[in-house]
Amino acid sequence: GEEVAQTPKHLVRGEGQKAKLYCAPIKGHSYVFWYQQVLKNEFKFLISFQNENVFDETGMPKERFSAKCLPNSPCSLEIQATKLEDSAVYFCASSQHPGSTGYNEKLFFGSGTQLSVL
Amino acid sequence: GDSVTQMEGPVTLSEEAFLTINCTYTATGYPSLFWYVQYPGEGLQLLLKATKADDKGSNKGFEATYRKETTSFHLEKGSVQVSDSAVYFCALSDPGNQFYFGTGTSLTVIP
Repeated sequence: GEEVAQTPKHLVRGEGQKAKLYCAPIKGHSYVFWYQQVLKNEFKFLISFQNENVFDETGMPKERFSAKCLPNSPCSLEIQATKLEDSAVYFCASSQHPGSTGYNEKLFFGSGTQLSVL
Repeated sequence: GDSVTQMEGPVTLSEEAFLTINCTYTATGYPSLFWYVQYPGEGLQLLLKATKADDKGSNKGFEATYRKETTSFHLEKGSVQVSDSAVYFCALSDPGNQFYFGTGTSLTVIP
């Protein structure tokens, strides 16, 4: 598709339940990024993929968070045993393979999944 | 490591006022620099970018110049409108294919 599609738009979970978020990157984009926006402004990097391979996972809380990008499937971000502090908007973004400069030229963002943990 | 620092908000301006949002960066190489904008309930959209020193990015009346000597990429607009109310994020991308975002600056423009 021509836009990054995230589902669902809203997700409500009780504390301790599992949450799974999905992201379909723009067709042809090699890189997928997940970000967590807890406060109104703060944007925390979680993990990035190059195709189906983890590229950078330095931002991922290892205990309960996991993510995958499998061929021919939307990417997913899963939170086991959610906690109140996981309530946030989770954004997915994708980008093309870096151009001749070697830099990513642009990130395309989805509209986010609002996760509310009660 | 690479990082971006932008001025804290929130910023409240009257319509037609001049806007400056400061952004400075730390990078080991020569990053590309970006300003993204987030309107309420939406994801981030690219506002403008600059890929090398002295480049000026511009879009919708907004401008920012890549200043290597001061490691800055300040966002400016000569006359803001109510529709410019949003959160603005400064960002850089490095040769490691990673993006770094500032903490965002909320702008409210009042009629």
